[in-house]
Amino acid sequence: GAVVSQHPSWVICKSGTSVKIECRSLDFQATTMFWYRQFPKQSLMLMATSNEGSKATYEQGVEKDKFLINHASLTLSTLTVTSAHPEDSSFYICSALRGTGANEQYFGPGTRLTVT
Amino acid sequence: KQEVTQIPAALSVPEGENLVLNCSFTDSAIYNLQWFRQDPGKGLTSLLLIQSSQREQTSGRLNASLDKSSGRSTLYIAASQPGDSATYLCAVRRRRNTDKLIFGTGTRLQVFP
Repeated sequence: GAVVSQHPSWVICKSGTSVKIECRSLDFQATTMFWYRQFPKQSLMLMATSNEGSKATYEQGVEKDKFLINHASLTLSTLTVTSAHPEDSSFYICSALRGTGANEQYFGPGTRLTVT
Repeated sequence: KQEVTQIPAALSVPEGENLVLNCSFTDSAIYNLQWFRQDPGKGLTSLLLIQSSQREQTSGRLNASLDKSSGRSTLYIAASQPGDSATYLCAVRRRRNTDKLIFGTGTRLQVFP
């Protein structure tokens, strides 16, 4: 099956610093990738839709200047949390669309971000 | 705005029981509905996908039904096992397969031996 990886799997950073999370589709090209955030014991909330070669579309309430998304190639999308604060601590999950058929959205293993 | 709710929020049962997990959505204009499994601290694994024109899908001990007009889906797990312990999420798409998924609140399932 299709594989989506994320790096790092976990990261601890100090308040005020920036953190970059990578999402890669390992064996397919993904024109579209999605970034989700999940707080403890809560469901996944979509943050933004990332399209290769164009600007990301952010969901209402998500600060685009704080959560920078770059989808520079068909296999890589990055999420940068700028000037991180403790309230940004969360589990970030990306997913990638392999094609247009049903059941073609594949999820990464997630990245645990802790801001101290 | 589409809202997806799952009941119960948590469930703890002995091994061998047959289980029913419920998912409801407020806007019946969906393209398809998908059930996922999430293990603690991990990503998502797709279990079943039901197109809006379908009534149910089956995979092994899992059966998912869809009643689009009433905004409900049910995931049925037969003969539960400890390995089924996980969080189960349902999610809906609005217009097409490439559309974003709107996730439900999840059901945390624990099956004890």
